[in-house]
Amino acid sequence: KNQVEQSPQSLIILEGKNCTLQCNYTVSPFSNLRWYKQDTGRGPVSLTIMTFSENTKSNGRYTATLDADTKQSSLHITASQLSDSASYICVLRRNYGGSQGNLIFGKGTKLSVKP
Amino acid sequence: DGGITQSPKYLFRKEGQNVTLSCEQNLNHDAMYWYRQDPGQGLRLIYYSQIVNDFQKGDIAEGYSVSREKKESFPLTVTSAQKNPTAFYLCASSTSDRAGGDTQYFGPGTRLTVL
Repeated sequence: KNQVEQSPQSLIILEGKNCTLQCNYTVSPFSNLRWYKQDTGRGPVSLTIMTFSENTKSNGRYTATLDADTKQSSLHITASQLSDSASYICVLRRNYGGSQGNLIFGKGTKLSVKP
Repeated sequence: DGGITQSPKYLFRKEGQNVTLSCEQNLNHDAMYWYRQDPGQGLRLIYYSQIVNDFQKGDIAEGYSVSREKKESFPLTVTSAQKNPTAFYLCASSTSDRAGGDTQYFGPGTRLTVL
C-alpha cells in the first residue's frame, strides 16, 4: 500500500479558477510535509514545507494545509494561471534515523490549466 | 549563478552498455541524491550521499553505482545489470540539516532511453 496517496490523478481547470489537490498519508511519525511543483521534463521545485505541528503555509497563490488527525494535506491554488500547469507532488519525510534518504514521494497530481 | 546541473538532458544507450549521468552543484550542499522517475510513479531513491567519500543505497540501488570524490559532483553509472534503465533521472542536493528543515533542490533531469 502506498504511504502517500494523492488525488485526483489528473485535473483540468479553466484559467482563473481555484482548485484543491489532496494528499492522504499513513507515514507516522514524520518530521515535515512538502509540496513540490514539477513542470514537464524538469526537476521538482519546492512550494511549501510544513512541520507536523503546523496547520497551514502559504506561498503566493499556493496555500497548503495539514490535518494531522485525519492524516490529510491539501494544496489550494487560487486564481489559476496557465503557468500553473504541472504535476504537484506531496512528499513526507520520515522521522527516524536522521538520514536524509527518508523521503516518501506521492505519485503526483497532473494539473492542466486551459485558457 | 548557483544551482544544480545535470548532463546530458537526453541520453540514448544500446542495451548492454554502461552509461554515466553527470550531476554538479555549486550550492555548497553536503548531501546529494539520485532519483528515478517513471510514468505514473513517485520518485524512487537510487543512492544518496551525505558527505564526500560516503554514500548509501536507496530503495532501488541494484544495477546502479555512484561515487562522491568531490563535494560538487555525484555521478551515477547505470550498468548493464539494470534491467529496465529507460527512465527520467533526477539529481538533487540539500544541506545536511538533520533537524528536518532541509529542502532538496533538484536538477533539470536526464532522460535515458535504452534502444
